[in-house]
Amino acid sequence: AQSVAQPEDQVNVAEGNPLTVKCTYSVSGNPYLFWYVQYPNRGLQFLLKYITGDNLVKGSYGFEAEFNKSQTSFHLKKPSALVSDSALYFCAVRPQLRGGYNKLIFGAGTRLAVHP
Amino acid sequence: SAVISQKPSRDICQRGTSLTIQCQVDSQVTMMFWYRQQPGQSLTLIATANQGSEATYESGFVIDKFPISRPNLTFSTLTVSNMSPEDSSIYLCSVEYRVSSYNEQFFGPGTRLTVL
Repeated sequence: AQSVAQPEDQVNVAEGNPLTVKCTYSVSGNPYLFWYVQYPNRGLQFLLKYITGDNLVKGSYGFEAEFNKSQTSFHLKKPSALVSDSALYFCAVRPQLRGGYNKLIFGAGTRLAVHP
Repeated sequence: SAVISQKPSRDICQRGTSLTIQCQVDSQVTMMFWYRQQPGQSLTLIATANQGSEATYESGFVIDKFPISRPNLTFSTLTVSNMSPEDSSIYLCSVEYRVSSYNEQFFGPGTRLTVL
């Protein structure tokens, strides 16, 4: 079965420190990879995506993610965390299978808490 | 990007009643989706709603419980019928929209439903 794993329910980081939110996937072929963020009482906002090309992709709000094909991972990173980054982060994968429509598969989400 | 609005933003409903959620997009889009996010959970796809055809429901979701309309390329409704407390969730509308050479998926702000 195709799946996305976010192994940490919550990540705690001090403001100004680097942060990493982990994501691994088990999907056939070469999927498209995404990160979304959900602030309290808000919908999902697109952060960044990997389709092809450079393994390090840059997105909104200073976030970046590194695609590692051998480890089937797509970890979200930021060099210096802000308190305002505190939110729920979802990793999502879209398989690229022939025939039919390929739906987004979401991870369980990781709550990021940045402390002053 | 596509701008998506949902009405209502939140509601508190009595058991046994029904609620219709509206989703409006500022651009014409072919594919629209309805998701459910139960408290503390990830997103679960309820159905795909394409204009001009019947909605396609995911396993575990049925039309009698979640009837969907898609009268044109910018609008859709989801009805949560005969509600029970287990239906308390955030319901999110989502669309696919062409951005450069790729279809990206955008999400509405969500409708927070509480069933008493």
